[in-house]
Amino acid sequence: QVRLQESGPGLVKPSQTVSLTCNVSGGSINSTRHHWSWVRQQSGKGLEWIGHIYYTGATYYNPSLQSRVRISVDTSKSHFSLTLSSVTVADSAVYYCARDERFVAMDVWGQGTTVTVSS
Amino acid sequence: DIQLTQSPSSLSASAGDRVTITCRPSQPVSKYLNWYQQKPGQAPNLLISTTSTLQSGVPSRFSASGSGTYFILTISSLQPEDFATYYCQQSYSTPHTFGPGTRLDIK
Repeated sequence: QVRLQESGPGLVKPSQTVSLTCNVSGGSINSTRHHWSWVRQQSGKGLEWIGHIYYTGATYYNPSLQSRVRISVDTSKSHFSLTLSSVTVADSAVYYCARDERFVAMDVWGQGTTVTVSS
Repeated sequence: DIQLTQSPSSLSASAGDRVTITCRPSQPVSKYLNWYQQKPGQAPNLLISTTSTLQSGVPSRFSASGSGTYFILTISSLQPEDFATYYCQQSYSTPHTFGPGTRLDIK
C-alpha cells in the first residue's frame, strides 16, 4: 500500500527558509485521483491545512501562508516538497504530508517531521 | 474560508458510553465533511469520509451523519482505544479547513 515519509532539517533559524520532502512509495504519485498535501500541527494545537499539489504541478495554498509557501512535485523521484520562507517561531510544528483523494479526504499520512525554529 | 466549529471541545466518558461530537461549518459543505482520529504522538487517521463513509478497518461502532452545516460523529460504545482527539475537516472548498478538535478523555 502507499506509504509516505517526510524528511527535513529539524532545526532552522528565524528568517530562513525550510524545505521538507515527502517520499511516496508503494503507489504512483502520477495518480489522477489524488492531490498531495501538507498539514502542520503546532505543539498542543490543532491541524492546519497548508496546501496541496496535483501531479501536473497545479497547486492550492492556504491564504494565510500563501505569500511564504511553495509546494512542488518531482514525479521522476516520486516525491513532493514544501518550502516555507521567512520562518518564525510560530512556524515550529510537526509537518505532515498526506495523500488527498480528490473531493474526498486525506486517507494516507506520513508519520510527520518536526521543524523547530530557533536561533 | 469555511470555519468549522466542534462541540464539545473536550469530553470525559467511560468505556461503554455512547458519545456524539458535532461539527458545524460556517457555510454549507454539501456532503464533503470528514472525521479524523489522532492519538498522542501519532499522525491523524481518517475514520469517516464524505459525511458517512466508514474507512476500511474502522470499527462499526463509529458512525456519522449530517449535511450542509450540521454533522455528527457517534461512537456507540466507547472502547479504551477510542480515547483520542477527533477532528472534522471540510473538503468542499480550499483551504480544506479543520475543526479545532474534540479531546475525548477517560472519566
